[in-house]
Formats: sequence, structure tokens, C-alpha cells
Amino acid sequence: GAGVSQSPSNKVTEKGKDVELRCDPISGHTALYWYRQSLGQGLEFLIYFQGNSAPDKSGLPSDRFSAERTGGSVSTLTIQRTQQEDSAVYLCASSLGPAGLSTDTQYFGPGTRLTVL
Amino acid sequence: AQKVTQAQTEISVVEKEDVTLDCVYETRDTTYYLFWYKQPPSGELVFLIRRNSFDEQNEISGRYSWNFQKSTSSFNFTITASQVVDSAVYFCALSAPTGNQFYFGTGTSLTVIP
Repeated sequence: GAGVSQSPSNKVTEKGKDVELRCDPISGHTALYWYRQSLGQGLEFLIYFQGNSAPDKSGLPSDRFSAERTGGSVSTLTIQRTQQEDSAVYLCASSLGPAGLSTDTQYFGPGTRLTVL
Repeated sequence: AQKVTQAQTEISVVEKEDVTLDCVYETRDTTYYLFWYKQPPSGELVFLIRRNSFDEQNEISGRYSWNFQKSTSSFNFTITASQVVDSAVYFCALSAPTGNQFYFGTGTSLTVIP
């Protein structure tokens, strides 16, 4: 079936505005992950969902960042009052099972490139 | 603490040369999984391989091979007879049952020169 999809592919916003980034995981995948990749950097873990719950929010960089997942499927990452340092590619990944199990291979979406002016 | 180190930030090779990308990891867990992902210029990460901690058998897939050595906590990736299409950033990653995170290295940017 289809892979992980993310929308929008590109988002340009002004400092101080709120943005919403969407992730549609692979159908049937119970685990969903959000990462941030700044220019030339590795992947920074943001948050992980198992079903609709987020047992690990430790990676969210500030309280301006929040995420939710409904129906065990689509997830939205919201950044409030965006700052220029939020500019990055936001990657979503899903896996059949949670981390640490044999079903945890992650499949990544194409990412959303966020630019905060 | 869990950590993945990819000491090589950038590598350039001439086409048809072999190249090895290094990955060293740290974990206190006895069960864990190691991964390699490729990120071509298009940006989308592509899964290459997964290895569990109990299987130290080396693996070969076409021009790709992986050498997993628990004694040195390394999971190195070799591309034989490199091609221009191999140019990408390659990430090594670790997942462990004690957490819900994947730990990624900072990546190695490989450029294959024609």
C-alpha cells in the first residue's frame, strides 16, 4: 500500500504564526514518530505515539510544540508562535509495532520543510 | 545511555571504489536493534537493513554488506563498486526495548564522483 505521507511538503510562515504539520502513517502501523532535521544535522527525536497515546514527549523542544494523534492514524504536529530556529525539515515515520520489538522498523515520509521568516 | 556515533561526516570516493561507513553504538541493553537508512538528495529516508543484537552474522545484499561486531559495538556498512546513485547521507540508528526512541547518528554524507 501507500507509504507515509506528509503535508504540506513546504511551508513558509512568518515569525509568531502557528503552523500545523500533518502525517498519514502506513495503514495498520500502530507506532508513529516525529523527528526534526535541521540543515546538515542528524535526526532529532521529538515525540512518539503508540496508538493514540504519547508515552514519550521528552523530545519536544519547548511548550510551543504539541502533537496529537486521533483514531490511531493521522497525527498533527503543531508549533505555536513559530521562531526562526524552528526552521527545519519535520519528518514523520511509522512502524508496525513499538520501538524495541521485531516489528519496529520505521518507514519515513518525505518530510515537511518549514521556513520561518 | 544510548548513543550512536558516525565519526565520518563526509566521504568522497571515485566511482567503482569500495567504501566503508563506520557506526559505533553505546547501549546497556542486551537486546537491541541496529539500522541503516539512506537519505538521497530527494530527502526521503530509505530503510536499508535491520539487525538484532543476537544475530552477528554478516549480511550481503548486492553491492551492500554489513559487518556487525558486538565486541567492538560496531555496525559498519560497506558499498562495493560504488556508483553515483549511491551518493546520499547514510544514517545508522539504534532502538532498544527500554525506551521508545530511535537513536540516530549524525549521518555520513557520501559523494561518489564519476
